[in-house]
This record gives sequence, C-alpha cells and structure tokens, in this order.
Amino acid sequence: DAKTTQPTSMDCAEGRAANLPCNHSTISGNEYVYWYRQIHSQGPQYIIHGLKNNETNEMASLIITEDRKSSTLILPHATLRDTAVYYCIVRVARDDKIIFGKGTRLHILP
Amino acid sequence: DAGVTQSPTHLIKTRGQQVTLRCSPKSGHDTVSWYQQALGQGPQFIFQYYEEEERQRGNFPDRFSGHQFPNYSSELNVNALLLGDSALYLCASSLSGSQETQYFGPGTRLLVL
Repeated sequence: DAKTTQPTSMDCAEGRAANLPCNHSTISGNEYVYWYRQIHSQGPQYIIHGLKNNETNEMASLIITEDRKSSTLILPHATLRDTAVYYCIVRVARDDKIIFGKGTRLHILP
Repeated sequence: DAGVTQSPTHLIKTRGQQVTLRCSPKSGHDTVSWYQQALGQGPQFIFQYYEEEERQRGNFPDRFSGHQFPNYSSELNVNALLLGDSALYLCASSLSGSQETQYFGPGTRLLVL
C-alpha cells in the first residue's frame, strides 16, 4: 500500500502558485519523498525528490517539514499544461519499485 | 538522446489470447520495471529486470512474465488474457545504483474483449 495521503483533487487559477500537500507520517529515516505527475494518457513524469532539505529545480519546489511527516510540492506559476494527476511517493532506493497511490488531480483554471 | 520507448502503442486482444509488449530503455539505463495502470487508478508494479533476471515482483499471477535482453530492452508477456487485464502498461528504466530516478515510457494501451 502507498505510504502517502493526498487530497483527491485541487483547483488552481492559471498564473498562480499551485501548492500540493502530501502526508507521509510513517516515513523512515532513509526514505526519500518523490513527486511524479501524469498528464492524461501519458507515462508518469518525474518532477523532483528530496530527503529532508527543501529542493528546487526548473519545474517545481519541494518543501519538507522538519519532522518529515509531510511535504508540499509548489508549482510557482501554474499553466494549463500543468493540469495532471500528481503522485507523492516515498521510497528507499533510487531503483526500487515505485508504489503509487491515487494521487491528486490538479485542475488549472483559465 | 531517445527516452524510454514502448511498442505497440495500442493493442486489442480477445480473452484467452497471449500478448507481448516491448520496451527499450533510456540510453545508458540497465534496469527495466513494468507497471499496470487500470483506468482511474495509479500504476501498479508488476516486476523489475536487471542483468537479464527478474529482481523484484509485485502481486501479479504467473500469467505475467518477462524477459530482458543483453541490450537491456525488455518484453512483458501476458498469457490467457482476462477482461481485467485491460489497462495501460508502462515501462520505466533506470540505472542501477545511480542517483537517477526511474523514467517512464508512454505506455501500451491493451484492450481485452
């Protein structure tokens, strides 16, 4: 079973920051937090991952709480192309199997 | 640099038939994982291949089998197809022991009638 809890769906206005929360209260010390997204009928796309420090790349920022029991993915300026299902995942090894939950369906509104 | 490729893109079979799906990993990757995604659900892990051997397996029956070739490409075989096998089948590749994460292909959509 997935070790994360995410809201089923969220809306965000185009141009605004989209903040997607994820709870992972049973995360172990050696588990990373990964985020993927899946645009309709495509394969999942890797976004970002982190262990305990906040991370930023060209796509998004990842904020992990100090106790590591929750995190937030931030898309700074959402566009219509960011409409997708976003999956928050915790896993140990980088080539270990990925256990997906149901994710958050993010709708970007024009 | 080609990413992960899968073939065919779509496939229609009937119950009881057998199907073979193919995956070519991203250049430089040596590990291939297969996932099944039913409509409205997240992908479910089937198995992972490394050095031409099955390294991990999810909760799927023996009707699901695979193979990895010396060039790291892989096949997923499903025997005795059931209606419930209708799904999007995803292949993901990675480099064992590296810092990189898994990269997914576009998937093969299988419809069993």
